[in-house]
Amino acid sequence: DGGITQSPKYLFRKEGQNVTLSCEQNLNHDAMYWYRQDPGQGLRLIYYSQIVNDFQKGDIAEGYSVSREKKESFPLTVTSAQKNPTAFYLCASSPRASGSNTGELFFGEGSRLTVL
Amino acid sequence: GQNIDQPTEMTATEGAIVQINCTYQTSGFNGLFWYQQHAGEAPTFLSYNVLDGLEEKGRFSSFLSRSKGYSYLLLKELQMKDSASYLCAVRAANKLSFGAGTTVTVRA
Repeated sequence: DGGITQSPKYLFRKEGQNVTLSCEQNLNHDAMYWYRQDPGQGLRLIYYSQIVNDFQKGDIAEGYSVSREKKESFPLTVTSAQKNPTAFYLCASSPRASGSNTGELFFGEGSRLTVL
Repeated sequence: GQNIDQPTEMTATEGAIVQINCTYQTSGFNGLFWYQQHAGEAPTFLSYNVLDGLEEKGRFSSFLSRSKGYSYLLLKELQMKDSASYLCAVRAANKLSFGAGTTVTVRA
């Protein structure tokens, strides 16, 4: 089945540790995104990538890092510099918007990170 | 970034109609999306508008006015399973930015 797979679904880490969240897609989408969601808030964009080996900062990139070495993979590292890392992290991908293709985002199931 | 506003909460009765408004301010507008998100789950795509007017998909319709920076999502014949958060999202410069979401509660 085609889709986006995020892992792990739940993750607990001690304060000061780096953690990497995995995101893999087999939809052959060019673009991939990472969002963070906190209770009562909408999705906030952390990083996005339109093409392999290229990515841009979103609205809240500080304390995070990403890589895009392969089209299907876009891992997110939450570093110790992130002041409040406990959140629900969502990865998404989208095809290029053209013609009848809306370029909508397809989301993974999310990773819930709790820093103790 | 974009400034996207939508109401925090709405309550309606099963079988009724609810309209969720969304206003936005952005440059380089290139489409508006509505997503549904049940608690603890990923958002799922509902509708897309890039031109002015109404798009209808079954019980859900979405309207866009680009000159007013305004959209609404209309949910008809509400069912209990429609209780969820509804997210308005605006695309500009290859980025999709989301509003805070509107939590809709459907009561019997």
